[in-house]
Amino acid sequence: NAGVTQTPKFRILKIGQSMTLQCAQDMNHNYMYWYRQDPGMGLKLIYYSVGAGITDKGEVPNGYNVSRSTTEDFPLRLELAAPSQTSVYFCASSPTPWLAVNTGELFFGEGSRLTVL
Amino acid sequence: DAKTTQPNSMESNEEEPVHLPCNHSTISGTDYIHWYRQLPSQGPEYVIHGLTSNVNNRMASLAIAEDRKSSTLILHRATLRDAAVYYCILSTYGGATNKLIFGTGTLLAVQP
Repeated sequence: NAGVTQTPKFRILKIGQSMTLQCAQDMNHNYMYWYRQDPGMGLKLIYYSVGAGITDKGEVPNGYNVSRSTTEDFPLRLELAAPSQTSVYFCASSPTPWLAVNTGELFFGEGSRLTVL
Repeated sequence: DAKTTQPNSMESNEEEPVHLPCNHSTISGTDYIHWYRQLPSQGPEYVIHGLTSNVNNRMASLAIAEDRKSSTLILHRATLRDAAVYYCILSTYGGATNKLIFGTGTLLAVQP
């Protein structure tokens, strides 16, 4: 099973460049999330989506945008890359309302390592 | 916001039980306690979760204190594959901005 697939796995950007991190899941999950993990730290929630066409901000949304046109895909857009966005980005999906009712399991992708120079 | 506190690191020998502690003294009545682990260069992996009662699954057991201010993840027989960072997480519903509060994580080393 593919599960949650993220691309690219690695990317180096220059300050001010833009890019999109792709995330796709084949488990028909309604709920999808984007996290970032800075070195030696835990994960912080950037954006999440409870279904196609519905997205909302997490803890650290500034500098990012998302869209959810299909159940399967949840891309994360960086418009003007800054060094502070150097991090590992994880996409996750859930079959249950993880955040709303405090239950359920998150399935994570393998991460996308982004460096902004 | 409720947060968790974990030891930075622990060591265990292969085939022995491991008890990973987590303190969450400001937990609210509706917060669930989740444990995830992260192997090197991988995304986090679900281990177990619970609310008030102790929980068991094929991977581990979760023991929750009666006052819910602490919990312990129990790996019954550690293997080399269990070497990872273990995160104790409280899921907190905060209205418009729902937060997943990660602890500092415990780096578990398993010696052969």
